[in-house]
Amino acid sequence: DAGVTQSPTHLIKTRGQQVTLRCSPKSGHDTVSWYQQALGQGPQFIFQYYEEEERQRGNFPDRFSGHQFPNYSSELNVNALLLGDSALYLCASSLEDNEQFFGPGTRLTVL
Amino acid sequence: QKEVEQNSGPLSVPEGAIASLNCTYSDRVSQSFFWYRQYSGKSPELIMSIYSNGDKEDGRFTAQLNKASQYVSLLIRDSQPSDSATYLCAVKSGGGADGLTFGKGTHLIIQP
Repeated sequence: DAGVTQSPTHLIKTRGQQVTLRCSPKSGHDTVSWYQQALGQGPQFIFQYYEEEERQRGNFPDRFSGHQFPNYSSELNVNALLLGDSALYLCASSLEDNEQFFGPGTRLTVL
Repeated sequence: QKEVEQNSGPLSVPEGAIASLNCTYSDRVSQSFFWYRQYSGKSPELIMSIYSNGDKEDGRFTAQLNKASQYVSLLIRDSQPSDSATYLCAVKSGGGADGLTFGKGTHLIIQP
């Protein structure tokens, strides 16, 4: 039973560029949530997708957008990258509003 | 603004002793509470969830919830060096779509 997978593992971008991160949920899960974790901090909620729609959003600007596909996989897009966007991006999957299980994360470095 | 507070540590505990980790939260309507373990350079791993007042035990782990005091704790019995990690407390408000609100985590060190 595959767990949550994310790609890529690491990514280096320069300021102003755009990035797309990908997530496949755990088998049987239908909900995907995205989090940003800066060094030494707890994860911060970005948004949650269910039935291909954004269900709730945290305190992140519109530069952060996402998508969920019919197979429940999801993408996180970040436009106009800033140095402060450097962080570990975590995807968590769940069955509706139940317990969330995290993928390995994507480490994004913005230079 | 929902807040979750944890002592960042480090909390140093001798091997075989009980490690006690604490968390307070600000949102009174919070319904679900979780403890995640995060090793350095890895992603958070769910170790306990608790939804009602009282204690919940799973192996060496016991989660305790007191909604009146807005307080959650995690006890780790017979602590092992492999328990050394950062422990994140996470809180979710009532039913429906809601992300988790995390504390900054407590860094636990188990001394052999």
